[in-house]
Amino acid sequence: EAQVTQNPRYLITVTGKKLTVTCSQNMNHEYMSWYRQDPGLGLRQIYYSMNVEVTDKGDVPEGYKVSRKEKRNFPLILESPSPNQTSLYFCASSRSSGDGGYTFGSGTRLTVV
Amino acid sequence: DAKTTQPTSMDCAEGRAANLPCNHSTISGNEYVYWYRQIHSQGPQYIIHGLKNNETNEMASLIITEDRKSSTLILPHATLRDTAVYYCIVRSAGGTSYGKLTFGQGTILTVHP
Repeated sequence: EAQVTQNPRYLITVTGKKLTVTCSQNMNHEYMSWYRQDPGLGLRQIYYSMNVEVTDKGDVPEGYKVSRKEKRNFPLILESPSPNQTSLYFCASSRSSGDGGYTFGSGTRLTVV
Repeated sequence: DAKTTQPTSMDCAEGRAANLPCNHSTISGNEYVYWYRQIHSQGPQYIIHGLKNNETNEMASLIITEDRKSSTLILPHATLRDTAVYYCIVRSAGGTSYGKLTFGQGTILTVHP
């Protein structure tokens, strides 16, 4: 089944403890992206990647890092999480041409205390 | 990417057609109109997209005006499971900005029995 898989689904962590949220897609998509969703602010793009080793900032990149060493994986790294990064996170992927929509993962609910 | 404007909320009776409007008056020639929906806190789901011509798939129809400044998503026979937030998004067809996907606040569609 074509899908985007995120792990973990739920995570509670403490301020300053580095964490990684993994994202993997099995559709051979070139584009991958991370979003966060907060009440009243909607979905905001954190980072996106157009292909292996090519990444760019979205609208809210501060406090996050990403890497794209392989086509199928696009992990989101929080080097020193803070409470304002408590949010619902989504990973997504799409083909590189203009005729495809993004496929989203099921989400990761992160709480930083 | 061009900004979109959608009504905050709409209601629809089950079995009737749901027509969701979207204004994108600053859309440029190489930008597609995409529609997604999000049910509760699940990952957004791709519905349909188009450039100039009207489009139809198994989920919905997309009607784009001739001047491309507005569009309408039509769910022909709405069911209770179509209750969701619907997002209209304008996205460039390619290039470095293709990866960016900016979500607005969307339209909350409530389908009533």
